[in-house]
Amino acid sequence: DAGVIQSPRHEVTEMGQEVTLRCKPISGHDYLFWYRQTMMRGLELLIYFNNNVPIDDSGMPEDRFSAKMPNASFSTLKIQPSEPRDSAVYFCASSPRDRIYEQYFGPGTRLTVT
Amino acid sequence: AQSVTQPDIHITVSEGASLELRCNYSYGATPYLFWYVQSPGQGLQLLLKYFSGDTLVQGIKGFEAEFKRSQSSFNLRKPSVHWSDAAEYFCAVGSGGYNKLIFGAGTRLAVHP
Repeated sequence: DAGVIQSPRHEVTEMGQEVTLRCKPISGHDYLFWYRQTMMRGLELLIYFNNNVPIDDSGMPEDRFSAKMPNASFSTLKIQPSEPRDSAVYFCASSPRDRIYEQYFGPGTRLTVT
Repeated sequence: AQSVTQPDIHITVSEGASLELRCNYSYGATPYLFWYVQSPGQGLQLLLKYFSGDTLVQGIKGFEAEFKRSQSSFNLRKPSVHWSDAAEYFCAVGSGGYNKLIFGAGTRLAVHP
């Protein structure tokens, strides 16, 4: 298996622009997680899905952030409008149905908002 | 609330020396405990996990960890460190019914030749 795939790996955008991050989980995994990593706040869970349904989005910082999972093999995290404080590394992870805590992480997307 | 504390932000060891990274957790019930490693520019990779049973668990890359309930600890050890072990290490606890992993702040390991 190719593992969790994220694109793009790097994104540089200007404040106010819309940013879309993409994730393809490991085939057969039922859970998908979006994390954000910063020096100040460490690794934060933003939202997670079970069978394409959002279960807990309490970590989403504000309404500018939204996430979707239209099918079992694809998810997006969108920021609109982006702000400099959104600069971070965003990770997607997936886990199998019976081992939710065994999360397999993608390589991350490094987002820089200028 | 569940929490994870990694007291050491940075640790430097010489290649070939032994290593112990500390992790303390706060959780009411028997926890699910994990160690992940993050190499520069990479995502996190699961090193090992503890769910129940034997309190000494073996992981990949020669790492092991010991669960000590009395000390609320789950320290990571390796008898002989290799230069390629230089990375950031994260301890995490599974938060039961919330289906979330709570991560510590991480310990950055540097290895001197």
